[in-house]
Amino acid sequence: DIQMTQSPSSLSASVGDRITITCRASQGISNYLAWYQQKPGKVPKLLIYAASTLQSGVPSRFSGSGSGTDFTLTISSLQPEDVATYYCQKYNSAPWTFGQGTKVEIK
Amino acid sequence: EVQLVQSGAEVKKPGESLKISCKGSGYSFTNYWIGWVRQMPGKDLEWMGIIYPADSDTTYSPSFQGQVSISADKSISTAYLQWSSLKASDTAMYYCASQTHVATFAIWGQGTMVTVSS
Repeated sequence: DIQMTQSPSSLSASVGDRITITCRASQGISNYLAWYQQKPGKVPKLLIYAASTLQSGVPSRFSGSGSGTDFTLTISSLQPEDVATYYCQKYNSAPWTFGQGTKVEIK
Repeated sequence: EVQLVQSGAEVKKPGESLKISCKGSGYSFTNYWIGWVRQMPGKDLEWMGIIYPADSDTTYSPSFQGQVSISADKSISTAYLQWSSLKASDTAMYYCASQTHVATFAIWGQGTMVTVSS
């Protein structure tokens, strides 16, 4: 099965900073890559699908890029409400594996 | 309103059986893959498996194959996750989630907490 590896596992940044999270697939998955946000104690929420398409209602400070094996999630200006764990997920074929998560905190 | 509503929290003893449910409404439940995701306390999301309600085609993660059973009743837009013999290590939050036109999990249930303890 294809493995999904995220980095870093956690990061701390200041409000207004630009942050980037990386997700790497062990084999090519075209653009079948999604990003989810899970705030503490809450249900996961889809942010981005097809590697770079913003889900309806998601703020434009979130963006995604990549294709094949390497993908990134960028928050252009970190806000206090962005404190959460972020997960990538492949969905080109089953199993739709999640990455191990990146915990984002405010410095 | 598009939503998935899961059954309530469960407290069970090791060895007991359990079936939890997830009812969809407000969208074409039958024609999209619906899946289950485990989150053990303080841990990451784990994809368990998916089912296509129209024909009950089911695929499991290798990690969960043989450990759980996923089913669906399209007539009542409900998916199920079932255990025949629970273990303490099954203690977790279980989410159902449905694919939509975006091809992955765009709709999530509120989660069902399962606690297995003697």
